[in-house]
Order: sequence, then C-alpha cells, then structure tokens
Amino acid sequence: NAGVMQNPRHLVRRRGQEARLRCSPMKGHSHVYWYRQLPEEGLKFMVYLQKENIIDESGMPKERFSAEFPKEGPSILRIQQVVRGDSAAYFCASSKRGPMNTEAFFGQGTRLTVV
Amino acid sequence: DAKTTQPNSMESNEEEPVHLPCNHSTISGTDYIHWYRQLPSQGPEYVIHGLTSNVNNRMASLAIAEDRKSSTLILHRATLRDAAVYYCILRDVVQGGSEKLVFGKGTKLTVNP
Repeated sequence: NAGVMQNPRHLVRRRGQEARLRCSPMKGHSHVYWYRQLPEEGLKFMVYLQKENIIDESGMPKERFSAEFPKEGPSILRIQQVVRGDSAAYFCASSKRGPMNTEAFFGQGTRLTVV
Repeated sequence: DAKTTQPNSMESNEEEPVHLPCNHSTISGTDYIHWYRQLPSQGPEYVIHGLTSNVNNRMASLAIAEDRKSSTLILHRATLRDAAVYYCILRDVVQGGSEKLVFGKGTKLTVNP
C-alpha cells in the first residue's frame, strides 16, 4: 500500500506563473489536508477536504489559492500568480475518516521555489 | 484552537530514555492528545495518540496526567534516527466537523552519539 504521494517533489516557478501541486491520498482515505511550512517554521493548516467537498478552508489565503479533491483523481492545490512569499514546503496528509481518533499520514511534500 | 506548550529544544544521549513534556491546561473533555514528529526534510510522521489512559506502541509510550492538563512522550531508548521536531497536538474540532491538526512549534530533539 503506497503512502501519500505528492508531486512534483520540487517545483520552480517565476513570479506571476501558476503552481499546481498534486496529492494522491492513501488507498481508502477520503480525507485530505494541506499544510504549508515556511523555512525554519512550523506547519500551518491551509485546507481540509473530503471527496468533492471543502470542509474547512480557514487557513487558506482568500486570493490566488484554491484547492479541490474531485471524485476521481488526486487532490490539487493551485496557486495563481505566485509571489516570492509563496516559496515554502507544501505537505498533504490523508486519513481514513475524520481524524479525531486516528492517525493522519503525510506525504514527502512539494518544495515550491518562486524566482 | 486548543493550545499546547512544549520546550523549544531538548538533548539526549543515544540509548538513553527521553521524556518529552507537553502542557495543555485548556484541554477539553473530548480532545485527543496526538504526537507527531518531523525528521529533517521530511513530512510529519504519526507517533502516538491517547485520550485518558497511558498508551504504548512500538515507537513510544504516552503518559497522560490524571487531570489531562499535561502529557509526556517517552522514547525508551533514543537512537540517532529519533532526532526530529516532536509536536504535541490537541485535535481541534470545529462545529460542523472540521478536525484539523494544529501544529505548534514543537520540541527539537537532539540525540548525541
């Protein structure tokens, strides 16, 4: 059973371009979480999705950022018109159900560099 | 968000036990206590979780105070591979079903050979 797969592992974008980050949850997991980690800082929650639904996007910037988890295919975190401040590691996690009493599995992350 | 307080850093020697403390004085009755760790350049990794009783698994033990206002993660024999940032997290349940993990700054554990 493969773990949470994120791709690409490294992504370089010029200012103003779009970045698309993909996350394939573990098999059987219907809950996906996205986090951002700036250099030398902790993980900041961005968004929590279940299949085809956004449950909590309280940590996501209102502009330029969007996320989806379609019925088929991976979850996508999309950043439009990237700026230097978007440079960070973006981690995705998945769990089988609402993870109050279960573990979340994290991917290896996508390291976004905006030049 | 329910808050936790951890020391910024701790040091240990290889093959010695490590006790990582966490204070969570505002914990509610239904909050689970979760521990994750993050090795350098990797994603976080689940370690253990519990509600009221002490818990053991192959990675660690979790000792929870009787009043639940604090807990301690115990690594029985630290190895160099245990060097990581350890996060103590209370589940954050928002009305409507969101149960996101809220990470604090964690404790950076250094293991000396």
